[in-house]
Amino acid sequence: EPEVTQTPSHQVTQMGQEVILRCVPISNHLYFYWYRQILGQKVEFLVSFYNNEISEKSEIFDDQFSVERPDGSNFTLKIRSTKLEDSAMYFCASSAGTSGRRNIQYFGAGTRLSVL
Amino acid sequence: QKEVEQNSGPLSVPEGAIASLNCTYSDRVSQSFFWYRQYSGKSPELIMSIYSNGDKEDGRFTAQLNKASQYVSLLIRDSQPSDSATYLCAASGGYNKLIFGAGTRLAVHP
Repeated sequence: EPEVTQTPSHQVTQMGQEVILRCVPISNHLYFYWYRQILGQKVEFLVSFYNNEISEKSEIFDDQFSVERPDGSNFTLKIRSTKLEDSAMYFCASSAGTSGRRNIQYFGAGTRLSVL
Repeated sequence: QKEVEQNSGPLSVPEGAIASLNCTYSDRVSQSFFWYRQYSGKSPELIMSIYSNGDKEDGRFTAQLNKASQYVSLLIRDSQPSDSATYLCAASGGYNKLIFGAGTRLAVHP
């Protein structure tokens, strides 16, 4: 069964360092998303991406964040200068479309980011 | 104002019983709703999607949507200890972003 894959599963970094989280969405999906979940809190939307452009972003997704689809398969989230409060689980998701059953989003296993 | 609300629980039910999970939403979100299951430290896993008023059944799971009351629920029949997890209610809004509730923790005890 197709799945969303994320690497690495756990990333430890020092405050102020740049990190890149990687995702391979399901191959025939066109819409890509990043969410984060701080420990013990709810899953929060960060950004959606379609046709090589950001469709929507949340208030959390400030200038320190960027997304890119560098090739036909990968979708990345970059945090330029990490802060302690960026420590969270980051989930990538993808969907085939945005209407009907095509809007169902499938999640990857997540990357746990620990900022020290 | 929160857009998707759930009771945090824990909801404790005996094995074999029906677990009933509830969710309310504001009228600013879309009309597509989803139930995801999340085990501790894992990612959300889709259980059910529902788009129109009424009931939708899939195996032991039934999702119910009442748009007039802005209410969506999930029933789990014949609950098993393996159903013990946090159940996340989500609504799609904007450009298909998902807006999650805080989740209800379900504990099924033998």
